[in-house]
Amino acid sequence: AQSVTQLDSQVPVFEEAPVELRCNYSSSVSVYLFWYVQYPNQGLQLLLKYLSGSTLVKGINGFEAEFNKSQTSFHLRKPSVHISDTAEYFCAVSDRPGNTGKLIFGQGTTLQVKP
Amino acid sequence: EPEVTQTPSHQVTQMGQEVILRCVPISNHLYFYWYRQILGQKVEFLVSFYNNEISEKSEIFDDQFSVERPDGSNFTLKIRSTKLEDSAMYFCASSEVADEQYFGPGTRLTVT
Repeated sequence: AQSVTQLDSQVPVFEEAPVELRCNYSSSVSVYLFWYVQYPNQGLQLLLKYLSGSTLVKGINGFEAEFNKSQTSFHLRKPSVHISDTAEYFCAVSDRPGNTGKLIFGQGTTLQVKP
Repeated sequence: EPEVTQTPSHQVTQMGQEVILRCVPISNHLYFYWYRQILGQKVEFLVSFYNNEISEKSEIFDDQFSVERPDGSNFTLKIRSTKLEDSAMYFCASSEVADEQYFGPGTRLTVT
């Protein structure tokens, strides 16, 4: 069965500092990988996705993530965060095409950007 | 930009009552999903729906739950007899192909 582990429940960081949110997954099959962001009292918004091809994926709001198959990781990075990046971030995995597209989510990481 | 909408935003119901949560997916999407998030916990998959039938469901999605696409635009989740532990945020999602899901803002269900 697939699972996703987000290693940090909370990440405090100062504005304009770099940040990395960690995500590891386990799966016996090839997967798609996603990062979603949830701002307070809102739904989930897709930040970026890895389907195939280049292992470095760029998303919205200056975020990027790197797929590392050997380490089964998909860490999210941003070189300089803003106050507005304060939110909950979820890593998710789904099986490759041909299935239902069900997403398995990690526990989430709260990014707290301080002035 | 098209978006997934959900109604109501907040539903309060008494234990044992039936509730119907409504979603309007993006119009050209073919895959539909329900997820839930209990306060402080991770988002959990409930059910996926394609071609007018359930394609996959989780262990959570027992006989108390059902989904329906009654017309060309709505996608509903019904809980037949609510329990306290059904209190959660329920998210609807849709996708054109099974690789990128767009989520609605959620319905907060409170069972008292």
